[in-house]
Amino acid sequence: DIQMTQSPSTLSASVGDRVTITCRASQSINGWLAWYQQKPGKAPKLLIYKASSLESGVPSRFSGSGSGTEFTLTISSLQPDDFATYYCQQYNNYWTFGQGTKVEIK
Amino acid sequence: EVQLVESGGGLLQPGGSLRLSCAASGFIFSTYAMSWVRQAPGQGLEWVSAISGSGGSTYYADSVKGRFTISRDNSKKTLYLHINSLRVEDTAVYYCVKDREVAAGAGAFDIWGQGTMVTVSS
Repeated sequence: DIQMTQSPSTLSASVGDRVTITCRASQSINGWLAWYQQKPGKAPKLLIYKASSLESGVPSRFSGSGSGTEFTLTISSLQPDDFATYYCQQYNNYWTFGQGTKVEIK
Repeated sequence: EVQLVESGGGLLQPGGSLRLSCAASGFIFSTYAMSWVRQAPGQGLEWVSAISGSGGSTYYADSVKGRFTISRDNSKKTLYLHINSLRVEDTAVYYCVKDREVAAGAGAFDIWGQGTMVTVSS
């Protein structure tokens, strides 16, 4: 089974900050990585797929990068609507989610 | 509008069984693989099961293999999840999700239902 490890688990930031979340896979996933945003009481929303492709309708301040086993999600300038929990997911071999990163107000 | 609407959750006793349903609309249901993802209270996301567009291939997480059965009725545009021998640890919100692309193999999940809550307690 492929394990996904996100860091940090919690991140405190201010509006306007540049935020980076890291996701590591236990083995190569050939770029088959997605990022999701989830707000309390709501279903997750797809932000990024294939490691760096922006889903339609997602603001361009979100970007993804990485290859092999290490990937990052970057929010270039944090907005009030971005305070949420973020999950990475591999879909190279079945599907596995990271444990989540909560972005909270500093 | 592309939409997934789950139903069938509720409060059940350990050892019981239930069937979750997910009604799809706004896309050609039979051409997309579908999955169920669950989230225990206050916890992260866990992929549970997937099924190909034709229904001919099914996949399960080790944690539910043998107790969960995924199926679909393409004529009714509906996805199902049968759960047997319910355990307290099955308590979660269960989401129905759609693969982003029409393709063989795994994909990212671009459409999520609102979720249905399953609570297992004596």
